[in-house]
Amino acid sequence: QVQLVESGGGVVQPGRSLRLSCEASGFTFSSYGMHWVRQAPGKGLEWVAVIWYDGSNKLYADSVKGRFTISRDTSKNTVYLQMNSLRDDDTAVYYCARAYRADIAMVPDYWGQGTLVTVSS
Amino acid sequence: DVVMTQSPLSLPVTLGQPASISCRSSQSLVYSDGNTYLNWFQQRPGQSPRRLIYQVSNRDSGVPDRFSGSGSGTDFTLKISRVEAEDVGIYYCMQGTHWPPWTFGQGTKVEIK
Repeated sequence: QVQLVESGGGVVQPGRSLRLSCEASGFTFSSYGMHWVRQAPGKGLEWVAVIWYDGSNKLYADSVKGRFTISRDTSKNTVYLQMNSLRDDDTAVYYCARAYRADIAMVPDYWGQGTLVTVSS
Repeated sequence: DVVMTQSPLSLPVTLGQPASISCRSSQSLVYSDGNTYLNWFQQRPGQSPRRLIYQVSNRDSGVPDRFSGSGSGTDFTLKISRVEAEDVGIYYCMQGTHWPPWTFGQGTKVEIK
C-alpha cells in the first residue's frame, strides 16, 4: 500500500536549519511529483513547495522562497525539504504528498502523517 | 494568487441529516483544457488530509457515495447526504488550476450536534 513517512522534525532555534525527509513506498516514486504542505498549530493548510517527478522543476511559496530547498533522490525513494533561516512562523506540521505526473493540476492525492517542526528560542 | 473562501467555517449537524459546504474562488477555475481543478479534502481529528473529490465531482477510490461535489466557474459545493459520526473533521477545498501557488480554503469544521 502507499506509504509516505516524514521524518526530521523537531525543535530548532530561530535562524537555524533543519532538513525534513519523506520516504515513499508502495508506488512508482519516479512517476510522481512531490509536494510539501504545512499546517501551523490550529490553522489551515498552506502549500510550501513542489518538485516534479523527474526533478526538472521546483516551485516554492513566496513565504519560503530563498530559504527552503526541495530535492529528491529516486534511488532512495525520498524527497527532502532543506529549511534554512527558520523563523517562528515556520512552526507547523509538515506533510509530504504525492501528485501524479500526468495530472496537469499536480493535485496531491495521498499524504503522509506529517512531522512537527517547532521554531523556538 | 487565487483566494479560496469557504462557508460556513463551522457546521454543527445532526447524525443522519445532510450537510453542505460552499467554496468560492476569486477567479474562475476553468483551465485552458476545459477542466476545472477544484478538489475537496477531509482531515479527521489527529489525522493527515485525505482527498475526497477531484475535478469538482469525481470521488476518489474508497470515498463513500454520500459525498458529492458540484459547481462550476467560481462556485462549488461539497454535500454529505447523510452525516455519519466518522465524517467529523475539517473539510478544505483546494484549487489546482492557477498554480503556483496551490491554494486552500480556510477549512470548515463539521461536528455533531
